[in-house]
Amino acid sequence: QQQVKQSPQSLIVQKGGISIINCAYENTAFDYFPWYQQFPGKGPALLIAIRPDVSEKKEGRFTISFNKSAKQFSLHIMDSQPGDSATYFCAARTVIYGNKLVFGAGTILRVKS
Amino acid sequence: KAGVTQTPRYLIKTRGQQVTLSCSPISGHRSVSWYQQTPGQGLQFLFEYFSETQRNKGNFPGRFSGRQFSNSRSEMNVSTLELGDSALYLCASKGPQRTDTQYFGPGTRLTVL
Repeated sequence: QQQVKQSPQSLIVQKGGISIINCAYENTAFDYFPWYQQFPGKGPALLIAIRPDVSEKKEGRFTISFNKSAKQFSLHIMDSQPGDSATYFCAARTVIYGNKLVFGAGTILRVKS
Repeated sequence: KAGVTQTPRYLIKTRGQQVTLSCSPISGHRSVSWYQQTPGQGLQFLFEYFSETQRNKGNFPGRFSGRQFSNSRSEMNVSTLELGDSALYLCASKGPQRTDTQYFGPGTRLTVL
């Protein structure tokens, strides 16, 4: 119930292409869904986040699509760049667990130039 | 505003020893959470402190403990270290609003020999 399932485990995309990472959850009490980007040797950095009352949120080249009925959400990176090569984590949070974030397993993205 | 800071950045210990890690949250943030990151288990929630009180605890043995001081700085302690405790330990702080997000520090890389 507390799990967030993330796929794919790794992804290779050509420069300029679209990167898509998917996540699914079971716990309907989750009410906040952030995506984090992590570079080697660094802590995760917030990329973009969404709440379940919104079906899509866009910030620059990054878009979250949210499907509440399917309990799924995804990150789309448009015009992917080599600098986007990093590990991406989806996460979920519910006020029931305080500020605890439940993370997906992560997706290693490599953008080929 | 300065970000979340963690000290030390790297630590090497031997089995059986104990270790204390420190985290200074973003100014004004009273919630501090700790996470363990390993290649096999990913990002796992350890505990959260808010106003010097532990508000939530993950599924870790009692060897893992923490505390928070009146200035919101937090420490976590691991006693009787095991090889499996080798990990990146991340601290995250969060502002007071429900909509606030969590910001991670760079982490402390602990190696247990």
